[in-house]
Formats: sequence, structure tokens, C-alpha cells
Amino acid sequence: SQQGEEDPQALSIQEGENATMNCSYKTSINNLQWYRQNSGRGLVHLILIRSNEREKHSGRLRVTLDTSKKSSSLLITASRAADTASYFCATGSVRGSRLTFGEGTQLTVNP
Amino acid sequence: GAVVSQHPSWVICKSGTSVKIECRSLDFQATTMFWYRQFPKQSLMLMATSNEGSKATYEQGVEKDKFLINHASLTLSTLTVTSAHPEDSSFYICSASAGLGHYGYTFGSGTRLTVV
Repeated sequence: SQQGEEDPQALSIQEGENATMNCSYKTSINNLQWYRQNSGRGLVHLILIRSNEREKHSGRLRVTLDTSKKSSSLLITASRAADTASYFCATGSVRGSRLTFGEGTQLTVNP
Repeated sequence: GAVVSQHPSWVICKSGTSVKIECRSLDFQATTMFWYRQFPKQSLMLMATSNEGSKATYEQGVEKDKFLINHASLTLSTLTVTSAHPEDSSFYICSASAGLGHYGYTFGSGTRLTVV
């Protein structure tokens, strides 16, 4: 069963705007990861944040983690039409163990 | 970077037949691979964890006799959907960990199975 919940389920913005997606989880984690999936394709790993980290950046991506609230957010700045995809958070307990995925956010960036 | 190759990317089969999906780690050894199923506009549901040289661990509700998993080498895991039915139509995705010091997982490109 999926333990993660993401909101919003769908987000539509204009190119150049920022997109923020949120993820909540229920159990203790070792790390939280964000993935991107283009329609009908596999997942691409975007960024990983460990439980002892609060914020991480990678290019136009910024991830925050609040373990006290069991939540994370993914911010995509200066969005582009090519960012249109589904975004999933996934929590992991220890290295090499199973991931538990959230329900995903469908992001549409309009040119 | 770590690459996982999954084949076929799509397959159409008749009810009652079996379909094999392959997942290969191309540039790393994957002791463990994971098989997921995804319905349209939904998240990934873990079906089973495939361990090299041992029996796969199936999630609750997943029929192991229907979804046969073989992980005979450190670079290849296969999922066979036996006696396929239309309700087995779905998107199947495999993933593997890239190994030491890397917590992210690499995913195959997925297989769209349509059973007619």
C-alpha cells in the first residue's frame, strides 16, 4: 500500500512560474526521493534528501524535508514546458530496501 | 550513470498466453531488483522484490504463480505473466539500486502490456 500522499494531485502553471509539490508520509524514513515520470515512460531519479537534512538543491530543484511533520516539498523554479510530467515522492528506510511511492502530482507547464 | 534496460517496451498478447519481461542492469550489478505495476494515472505499486540467486519476495495480494520472477544473474531479472488475462493489462516497471553509496534507484523504461 502507498503510504505517501501528495498534493496537489494536478498542477497547471505558465512557463516561467514556480511549481511547488508537497508530499507527506507516515512512518520513519532514512531518506526521501523525488522522481519524475514522463507519460508512458519509466521514472527518472531527481534528488534524494536524507532524514538528517532539511534542504537540498539541484539546479532548478529545491527539496525540503520536515521530519517532525513527516512532509517534504519539491520546488521547481522558472518552470519550462519540458517540465510537464508526473512527479512522485518515494520514501526509503535503508539502502537497497524497497521504496514506497506517493500518489504523484501531474504537473502541466503551459508555454 | 547507472542504466537499467527493460524489454519489450510494449507487448500485445492473447488471453491465456504468457509474456516475459526482461530487466537488465547494463553497467552495474544489481543484487536486488524491484518490479512495479502502474495503472493509468496512478502511482507505482510494488509487486515483488527480486533477489539474485534466491526466491523473490512478493507483496501481499500478488499471485506468485501468476507473476513468475527469476533473478538468475546479477544483471538480469525477468517477470513472466502467466496465463494472461485482460485485467493483467498494465504498465510494468523494474528498478534496481546502483549500489554502494547510492541511494537513488534506476528505473527501466517500462513495459506496456495489453492482453486481448
